[in-house]
Amino acid sequence: QVQLVESGGGVVQPGGSLRLSCTAFGFTFSDYGMYWVRQAPGQGLEWVAFTRFDGNNNFYANSVKGRFTTSRDNSRNTLYLQMNNVRLEDAAVYHCAKGSPGQLSAFDIWGQGTWVIVSS
Amino acid sequence: DIQLTQSPSSLSASVGDRVTITCRASQTISNYLNWYQHKPGKAPKLLIYAASSLQSGVPSRFSGGGSGTDFTLTIANLQPDDFATYYCQQTYRAPLVTFGGGTKVEIK
Repeated sequence: QVQLVESGGGVVQPGGSLRLSCTAFGFTFSDYGMYWVRQAPGQGLEWVAFTRFDGNNNFYANSVKGRFTTSRDNSRNTLYLQMNNVRLEDAAVYHCAKGSPGQLSAFDIWGQGTWVIVSS
Repeated sequence: DIQLTQSPSSLSASVGDRVTITCRASQTISNYLNWYQHKPGKAPKLLIYAASSLQSGVPSRFSGGGSGTDFTLTIANLQPDDFATYYCQQTYRAPLVTFGGGTKVEIK
């Protein structure tokens, strides 16, 4: 079954670190660029980060640049988001999503998300 | 950055109604506009890509239109399963994508 499953969410203190994972099933993970998208409580969807199919050329939203790092291990079909110097405003559900080049880069597969709670 | 403005931000409708949501881009994006349905606790679902192409498996009561800066999502014959929040997304500047603010469709 084609799906993405996120893990690694939890409670983190302001200034702390957390690493999220996203494991892919049912498609050739190494062929596709992958995205992180978050939704803070009561807010809409916000793009966070992108990694190219080969793990090179990563891009970040201004709100997380310099603090978050995305990477991937194609041998493990897994995408990562390393979150450092976490802020209160980073609290959200974090989704990973697959880009679809044949559909003008629309996100055709999404995970259900993992919660990040920021609290001292 | 390309901004997307959705309207309305919320609406109330009845089963069987026809509903239209609009999305306006701050600059021309050709047809690089997608629509998603999102329910609480679930993965967002791609409905429409490239402004008007129906994603595989999505009911035909969903349709999209527009190009350039103005786009629409129409749901004909609204069904109970359609009550959700809908987002537009531009991928003209992919991977630097942006989403609209969302439209919550509620039961009247």
